[in-house]
Amino acid sequence: EDQVTQSPEALRLQEGESSSLNCSYTVSGLRGLFWYRQDPGKGPEFLFTLYSAGEEKEKERLKATLTKKESFLHITAPKPEDSATYLCAVGQTFGIGTKLQVIP
Amino acid sequence: GAVVSQHPSRVICKSGTSVKIECRSLDFQATTMFWYRQFPKQSLMLMATSNEGSKATYEQGVEKDKFLINHASLTLSTLTVTSAHPEDSSFYICSARASGIRGTYEQYFGPGTRLTVT
Repeated sequence: EDQVTQSPEALRLQEGESSSLNCSYTVSGLRGLFWYRQDPGKGPEFLFTLYSAGEEKEKERLKATLTKKESFLHITAPKPEDSATYLCAVGQTFGIGTKLQVIP
Repeated sequence: GAVVSQHPSRVICKSGTSVKIECRSLDFQATTMFWYRQFPKQSLMLMATSNEGSKATYEQGVEKDKFLINHASLTLSTLTVTSAHPEDSSFYICSARASGIRGTYEQYFGPGTRLTVT
């Protein structure tokens, strides 16, 4: 059974304070690890797909990396508009998310 | 990115009635669509996978006679909650998968439908 665990559950950052979100997974066969952003009361917004260990992808202040056991979402110099819940998924198994709050 | 619409965004219905939710991929063809439900402070739970022209595949514990899914075209899937009860109140989200190169794919989500059964 696929399992996805995200940490921390909540993270509060000052604007400009870089940090990383963790997603650890156990799967029978990885066919893609996905990162999404979800705002309150809305559907998730696709951010990245990673397929193999060592792969990295970037988009604005976000950078996702992948190893054989976990993925990190690095947020560089975050802004208040980056506040959201970030979800990690392997296939159709989703983690509970990390709720990020960026304080001005 | 690709756009997926969902209608209605909110619906309130009385216990025992049925509710239909539409999910459309607006600018791409989706051979596969997914339906999820999400309870407060919980993650998305896959309910069913729908392939165009085929019967939906339901996850364990999801009643197929209660949650009717129809994927009539490459851009439209519907979820009908039949004989709704208060415990069916939830946030329902659809998603459509777009195929990329070399077997890769991206998945795009609708904005969700808040169902409240009174």
